[in-house]
Amino acid sequence: QVQLVESGGGVVQPGRSLRISCAASGFTFSGYGMHWVRQAPGKGLEWVAFIWYDGSNQYYADSVKGRFTISRDNFKNTLYLQMNSLRAEDTAVYYCARARGVLDYWGQGTLVTVSS
Amino acid sequence: AIQLTQSPSSLSASIGDRVTITCRASQGISSALAWYQQKPGKAPKVLISDASSLERGVPSRFSGSGSGTDFTLTISSLQPEDFATYYCQQFNSYPQVSFGQGTKLEIK
Repeated sequence: QVQLVESGGGVVQPGRSLRISCAASGFTFSGYGMHWVRQAPGKGLEWVAFIWYDGSNQYYADSVKGRFTISRDNFKNTLYLQMNSLRAEDTAVYYCARARGVLDYWGQGTLVTVSS
Repeated sequence: AIQLTQSPSSLSASIGDRVTITCRASQGISSALAWYQQKPGKAPKVLISDASSLERGVPSRFSGSGSGTDFTLTISSLQPEDFATYYCQQFNSYPQVSFGQGTKLEIK
C-alpha cells in the first residue's frame, strides 16, 4: 500500500535552516510528481512546492520562492524540502503528497516550529 | 494566481441532513477541481476529482458538481463520521495548485 512518511521537523530559530524528508513506499516513486503542502496551526492548507517525477523541474509558492528548495532522490525513494531563512510565519505542519492532478496520497505530516 | 472562495466558512447540521458547500474560482478552471475532507490531527483525504468523479472507496452520499467558476460538494445524508473540515482545490494551473480556505462542518 502507498505510504508517505515525513520526518525532520522540529524547533528552529528564525533565520536558520532545516531540511525535512518524505520517505515513499508502495508505489513507483520515480513515476510521480510530488508536492509539499503546509498547514499553519488552526489554519487552512497552503501549497508550497512541486517537483516533476524526474526532478527536472520545480515550482514554488511566492511565499517561499528563493528560500525553499524541493528535491528528490529516486534511488532512495525520498522527497526533500530544504528550508532556509526561516520565518515565524513558516511555522506549520508540512505534508508531502503524491501528485495525480489531485493529491491522492498524503503523509501524516511533520511539524516545523520557527521560534527563538 | 487562481483564488478559490468557499462558502460558508462554517456550518452546523444534524445527522441525516443534506448539506451543500460551494467553491467559487476567480477565473474559469473547467472541471479541474477536487474536494478533500480533513479531520483534526489527520492529513486531508481526497473525496472527489475532476469536479464530480468520486474517488474509490468514498461513500456515494458524497457528490460534486460544477464547471467553470462555480462548484458544489453535496453530502446527501450526514453521518457522524462526516463532521470535519472540507477544502476545494484547483489544478487548472497545475502544478501550481491552490486551495479554498475551508468549510468546517459541525454537529448541531
